[in-house]
Amino acid sequence: DAKTTQPPSMDCAEGRAANLPCNHSTISGNEYVYWYRQIHSQGPQYIIHGLKNNETNEMASLIITEDRKSSTLILPHATLRDTAVYYCIVDEDSSYKLIFGSGTRLLVRP
Amino acid sequence: EPEVTQTPSHQVTQMGQEVILRCVPISNHLYFYWYRQILGQKVEFLVSFYNNEISEKSEIFDDQFSVERPDGSNFTLKIRSTKLEDSAMYFCASSEESPAGQPQHFGDGTRLSIL
Repeated sequence: DAKTTQPPSMDCAEGRAANLPCNHSTISGNEYVYWYRQIHSQGPQYIIHGLKNNETNEMASLIITEDRKSSTLILPHATLRDTAVYYCIVDEDSSYKLIFGSGTRLLVRP
Repeated sequence: EPEVTQTPSHQVTQMGQEVILRCVPISNHLYFYWYRQILGQKVEFLVSFYNNEISEKSEIFDDQFSVERPDGSNFTLKIRSTKLEDSAMYFCASSEESPAGQPQHFGDGTRLSIL
């Protein structure tokens, strides 16, 4: 089973920031947090990942709490094309596999 | 931007037949993966592959499944005798280095329909 817990659904208005939370209270010190999204039945799209520090790239920002037990993915200016299922994944013990949970279904409203 | 490509996009096969799904990973990547997603369900890991060997496999990846890197560019998943329950989206992924701290990049999948 996935080591993460996410709300099943969220929505936000187009142009506003979308803040997607994730709990990973059992994360170990060397385990990374990854965020992916899946639009319709397309392949999962990598967004961002981090270990301890906050990270930012052209798609999003990742805020990881100091105790590493939770994180937040921030889409700074959501567009309609950001409507997707967002997955927060912990790479367990640097395993080769990603364990997908049910994710958060984000709906961006016009 | 480099991407993982998968062919065909849709494969229809009779039950009991063999099927081969093809993937071209990103060119400088060394680790390769297959996942599947049954309609309406979660994405599930099948197998990882590095240096011409299986690194890890799930319980789903039984004797009817096999993987191969037949040349320097392709990575294939073979299902020997397909069953109705093999109907799913199959996603190939690749990563540049060993998994720790390295994202996997996914293709857009092959939809496998078993009749």
